[in-house]
Amino acid sequence: AQKVTQAQTEISVVEKEDVTLDCVYETRDTTYYLFWYKQPPSGELVFLIRRNSFDEQNEISGRYSWNFQKSTSSFNFTITASQVVDSAVYFCALSDRYNQGGKLIFGQGTELSVKP
Amino acid sequence: GAVVSQHPSRVICKSGTSVKIECRSLDFQATTMFWYRQFPKQSLMLMATSNEGSKATYEQGVEKDKFLINHASLTLSTLTVTSAHPEDSSFYICSARDGNRGRETQYFGPGTRLLVL
Repeated sequence: AQKVTQAQTEISVVEKEDVTLDCVYETRDTTYYLFWYKQPPSGELVFLIRRNSFDEQNEISGRYSWNFQKSTSSFNFTITASQVVDSAVYFCALSDRYNQGGKLIFGQGTELSVKP
Repeated sequence: GAVVSQHPSRVICKSGTSVKIECRSLDFQATTMFWYRQFPKQSLMLMATSNEGSKATYEQGVEKDKFLINHASLTLSTLTVTSAHPEDSSFYICSARDGNRGRETQYFGPGTRLLVL
């Protein structure tokens, strides 16, 4: 069965701290895609990254970086030097060929609060 | 690019009325759109998958006669909550998949907050 687990329900940090959001997934498929989305208080989901199962290179985009480890089925997200504007709920999601039509399986989300 | 809009952004209605929510892909064609519901402090729950020109595929436990979905064109899908009741109050979000940008990526609309009194 497909499953995404975000064990951290809430995280609170002080501005400029680094913070890592954990994501562990389960799938029987060898071809799958992993995503991170940000949901600020306004509610809109903002796409952050898409990674396919054949690309294990870590990625960095500004203050954001992602660590994909197939061996541990994890796709963790790190924010460096966090800012108040990073406060949001972050969702990790999985899509594989067993989900017809490209359905996304979402984790429960991690609410990040960055305090000044 | 990859902009998805939803209308209305917020609606308050009386119990028993029907509410229509529109989801549009503004700068790309979306053969597939998805409708989600999100209750406070919870994750997104997929309600149905909408394919242009065909009937929607509903997730288990979602009443197809209550949540009517129409995907009449490559840029528009509508969700109608029929005879809405207070328990239908929720945040409804649509997403659209752009086949030209990487088939598996969904772009989300801003959501519609529905409050049924």
